[in-house]
Amino acid sequence: AQRVTQPEKLLSVFKGAPVELKCNYSYSGSPELFWYVQYSRQRLQLLLRHISRESIKGFTADLNKGETSFHLKKPFAQEEDSAMYYCALSGLWNFGNEKLTFGTGTRLTIIP
Amino acid sequence: DTGVSQDPRHKITKRGQNVTFRCDPISEHNRLYWYRQTLGQGPEFLTYFQNEAQLEKSRLLSDRFSAERPKGSFSTLEIQRTEQGDSAMYLCASSLGDRGPSKPNEKLFFGSGTQLSVL
Repeated sequence: AQRVTQPEKLLSVFKGAPVELKCNYSYSGSPELFWYVQYSRQRLQLLLRHISRESIKGFTADLNKGETSFHLKKPFAQEEDSAMYYCALSGLWNFGNEKLTFGTGTRLTIIP
Repeated sequence: DTGVSQDPRHKITKRGQNVTFRCDPISEHNRLYWYRQTLGQGPEFLTYFQNEAQLEKSRLLSDRFSAERPKGSFSTLEIQRTEQGDSAMYLCASSLGDRGPSKPNEKLFFGSGTQLSVL
């Protein structure tokens, strides 16, 4: 079974401070991990995916298969980072298993 | 707006009534997904279409739920004999997918959702 755990429901960080949103997963196959973000009054949208190895809006996330983690990090928080963040999991190369399994989300608030 | 469109945005109904939601995906997208989100939870997968074919249904989807995508374009999600536990945000998403073995899962584009309240 697929499972995604985001242990923090709420996280408050001062502007300019580093941010880390935790995500752990459980999956028996090869996982594909994503971070989705929902800003206030906007739609859920993809922030980044591990397979692209990209940095979006200063955020990065590294897949650690040993620790089954995919934590989201940013060295210096900005006020516009305040949003709801969801970690999500799918099976890589596993068509027929296209669905995403989401975590419960972490609401990040950046304190000015 | 050329994104995923969902209608209605809000629906209030009485227990036992039937409701139907519509989703219009991004026009060239061949894959369409329905998710449900309750308060304090992340979205939960309900069902998925590749063109007009419904390829997967979650065990969450009871017999009261049915989804269609008749021409491989828009989709409808119907809930019969609604229950209070059906109250949730119903999200639609679409993607342009290639089912070839070398392609990973594609990026999903979500709609704004339909908020269902069952009284």
